Amino acid sequence: QKEVEQDPGPLSVPEGAIVSLNCTYSNSAFQYFMWYRQYSRKGPELLMYTYSSGNKEDGRFTAQVDKSSKYISLFIRDSQPSDSATYLCATQYNFNKFYFGSGTKLNVKP
Amino acid sequence: GAVVSQHPSWVICKSGTSVKIECRSLDFQATTMFWYRQFPKQSLMLMATSNEGSKATYEQGVEKDKFLINHASLTLSTLTVTSAHPEDSSFYICSATFDRASSGNTIYFGEGSWLTVV
Repeated sequence: QKEVEQDPGPLSVPEGAIVSLNCTYSNSAFQYFMWYRQYSRKGPELLMYTYSSGNKEDGRFTAQVDKSSKYISLFIRDSQPSDSATYLCATQYNFNKFYFGSGTKLNVKP
Repeated sequence: GAVVSQHPSWVICKSGTSVKIECRSLDFQATTMFWYRQFPKQSLMLMATSNEGSKATYEQGVEKDKFLINHASLTLSTLTVTSAHPEDSSFYICSATFDRASSGNTIYFGEGSWLTVV
């Protein structure tokens, strides 16, 4: 079993829709969770960084962590064509060990 | 957020030559730097982890003599692809992390470097 599992998509939504991106993880000891956005031919860009269960909001983005079910989510409200990218979830374990999901490709249609 | 700069963004080299890619943390001291390789439409593949002043730790299957990593300072790491071949053509991404005191680390990525070996 991989440490972090993520549906690769692609996910296609109309502009203005609410997008839900999800990952599951295997180790209950994972404490820190991150979401990255990667545009084509670019390095990943950090979007959200969370610790512990609950929600964290930043503009149109909300990161949610449910440690009881080992489930992490990223919600995007009022999605825009510029949100079209690949979204990677990640977790940090044991100081410098990071595990990444395979990425979900999102396409927001105008 | 923290900035990681990677150079060059694009490089084309002849088969058999060596290519060096630089990764710099611009506004923080990176305790650890990572090098990834990414094939088209695939996820990140960790190649090696390096700490300043120490030898890099390579992932299984990554040739250390092929991919030389030097972490000379807390703000600079270099990846040298030696005797490059067309199969080494790929997108190489560096990243860096620093200790956020009591709240754990996060990882910041460079812009990536596209290597084409002809």
